[in-house]
Amino acid sequence: DAGVTQSPTHLIKTRGQQVTLRCSPKSGHDTVSWYQQALGQGPQFIFQYYEEEERQRGNFPDRFSGHQFPNYSSELNVNALLLGDSALYLCASSSAGTGGADTQYFGPGTRLTVL
Amino acid sequence: AQKVTQAQTEISVVEKEDVTLDCVYETRDTTYYLFWYKQPPSGELVFLIRRNSFDEQNEISGRYSWNFQKSTSSFNFTITASQVVDSAVYFCALINNAGNMLTFGGGTRLMVKP
Repeated sequence: DAGVTQSPTHLIKTRGQQVTLRCSPKSGHDTVSWYQQALGQGPQFIFQYYEEEERQRGNFPDRFSGHQFPNYSSELNVNALLLGDSALYLCASSSAGTGGADTQYFGPGTRLTVL
Repeated sequence: AQKVTQAQTEISVVEKEDVTLDCVYETRDTTYYLFWYKQPPSGELVFLIRRNSFDEQNEISGRYSWNFQKSTSSFNFTITASQVVDSAVYFCALINNAGNMLTFGGGTRLMVKP
């Protein structure tokens, strides 16, 4: 049973560039959430996608956008990169149909470095 | 607003010692869920346990045990007879019943020395 997968594992970009991160959910899951984890801190919620729609969004600017595909995989896009966007980006998948808040299972993350 | 506080930023123990990681939370919701995740150096967050707000029974899984006390808004995690492989950052997190957003604490780095 494949878990949550993310690509790429590492990425180096320069300020002002754009980046796309990808996530495939765990088998049987239909919901994908994205988190940003700065060094030495806990993960911060960016947004969640379900049925190809953004269901909830955290306190992140519009430079952060996403997409969910019919096969439930998801992309996170960040435009006009800033040095402060350097972080570990974590994708989590869950199932919307279990009632109540389902457990979110995390992927290995993508380490983004902005120079 | 929800908040999770892990006051211990770093704990160092010697192998075979018992260690307790503290977690205190704040929420105005009556129905919510609490979680513990482990983050080894590889970076992936590994799910350990989920508890709902109506179940205050303590849980034991091998060397791991969890103490949930609604009266003090705490959800503490104890590792018995710690091992070097337990070295990691541990996060406590909270989500409400209708929400989709996990709120994490700042994490506790546990170092178990041989």
